[in-house]
Amino acid sequence: GAVVSQHPSRVICKSGTSVKIECRSLDFQATTMFWYRQFPKQSLMLMATSNEGSKATYEQGVEKDKFLINHASLTLSTLTVTSAHPEDSSFYICSARTFLTNEQFFGPGTRLTVL
Amino acid sequence: KQEVTQIPAALSVPEGENLVLNCSFTDSAIYNLQWFRQDPGKGLTSLLLIQSSQREQTSGRLNASLDKSSGRSTLYIAASQPGDSATYLCAVRAGGTSYGKLTFGQGTILTVHP
Repeated sequence: GAVVSQHPSRVICKSGTSVKIECRSLDFQATTMFWYRQFPKQSLMLMATSNEGSKATYEQGVEKDKFLINHASLTLSTLTVTSAHPEDSSFYICSARTFLTNEQFFGPGTRLTVL
Repeated sequence: KQEVTQIPAALSVPEGENLVLNCSFTDSAIYNLQWFRQDPGKGLTSLLLIQSSQREQTSGRLNASLDKSSGRSTLYIAASQPGDSATYLCAVRAGGTSYGKLTFGQGTILTVHP
């Protein structure tokens, strides 16, 4: 079946540093990838949608200069949290949509803690 | 703006019980509805996907129904087991194409005790 991986699974960083999270579709090509954020005991909130080779589309209220998204290939998208602050601490989940069936698959998530 | 609500927020049952999780959505113009399972600190596993033209889908002990006109879906779990303990999320895909956004409910935390 379609597998989406994320790396790292957990990251702890100091306030002011930048953190990069990778999302890979392991056995399929993903023309579109999505980045979600989930706070404790809350649901997933879509942050942005990225299409391979083009700029990401950000949801209202999401700072594009703070959350940099790159979708350089059909199997890799990255989310970089720039100048991280404690309020950026959250669970980040990526999702990839297959070109053939348009089905959406989710990664295992990355727990970011900013001290 | 689509809003998805799940009831109850939490549910604790003894092993073996049949149970129903509820999901309601405000905009009936959906493409499909999906039920997911999320274990603590993990990503999402898709359980069932119901297209807007369908009324229900079944997979093993799980049965999901959809009443699009009333904006409701239910997930029925038969003969619950401790391994079913997880958060169950309902999500609807907007609009008339498969490219619509997924909107998630806040989830139901299920605990099945031995």
